[in-house]
Amino acid sequence: AQTVTQSQPEMSVQEAETVTLSCTYDTSESDYYLFWYKQPPSRQMILVIRQEAYKQQNATENRFSVNFQKAAKSFSLKISDSQLGDAAMYFCAYRSWTGGGADGLTFGKGTHLIIQP
Amino acid sequence: EAGVVQSPRYKIIEKKQPVAFWCNPISGHNTLYWYLQNLGQGPELLIRYENEEAVDDSQLPKDRFSAERLKGVDSTLKIQPAELGDSAVYLCASRPARTGELFFGEGSRLTVL
Repeated sequence: AQTVTQSQPEMSVQEAETVTLSCTYDTSESDYYLFWYKQPPSRQMILVIRQEAYKQQNATENRFSVNFQKAAKSFSLKISDSQLGDAAMYFCAYRSWTGGGADGLTFGKGTHLIIQP
Repeated sequence: EAGVVQSPRYKIIEKKQPVAFWCNPISGHNTLYWYLQNLGQGPELLIRYENEEAVDDSQLPKDRFSAERLKGVDSTLKIQPAELGDSAVYLCASRPARTGELFFGEGSRLTVL
């Protein structure tokens, strides 16, 4: 079974600074998806960024980018120019490419991101 | 386009009472998921539907939990009887075909007293 580990329960960053959230995962599969989801206090999970494992290029979405190291099974999220609205729980998640019985996301325990004004 | 809709947002019940949660996925999304999220934890999969068929319910505690997705659209998750340990947020998500990401509802927070 796949596992996802987020080793930082909480991170704090000054507004406008850059912060990196860590994520490692364990899988025997070669094709899969990786995601970062944001969950504000309102509770709705919002997709921040996705990465397909077959793609060598790191995904970027405006101020959000990832550092995907497939061999190391590492998938970190970098948030540039942090804004107060970025404060939330961030979850790293894994999904098998082929779906089937193993479909569904496997989540890490999350990192609580605090933005200091 | 409307997102995933869940109700109720909040529910407080006494232990041993029944409770039901409802989910309306995004139109056209054939895959529907129910997740359990305990406080300070990541969500954990309870059950997955492909259309009206439950294709992965291995994590659903079947002695007290049940789910259905009639006509392959809306879904209901039921707990009977509820226990104190069932206090959590129940998240519903849906996914379109041929993409990886899931779209989540706002969740239903259950408090069992």
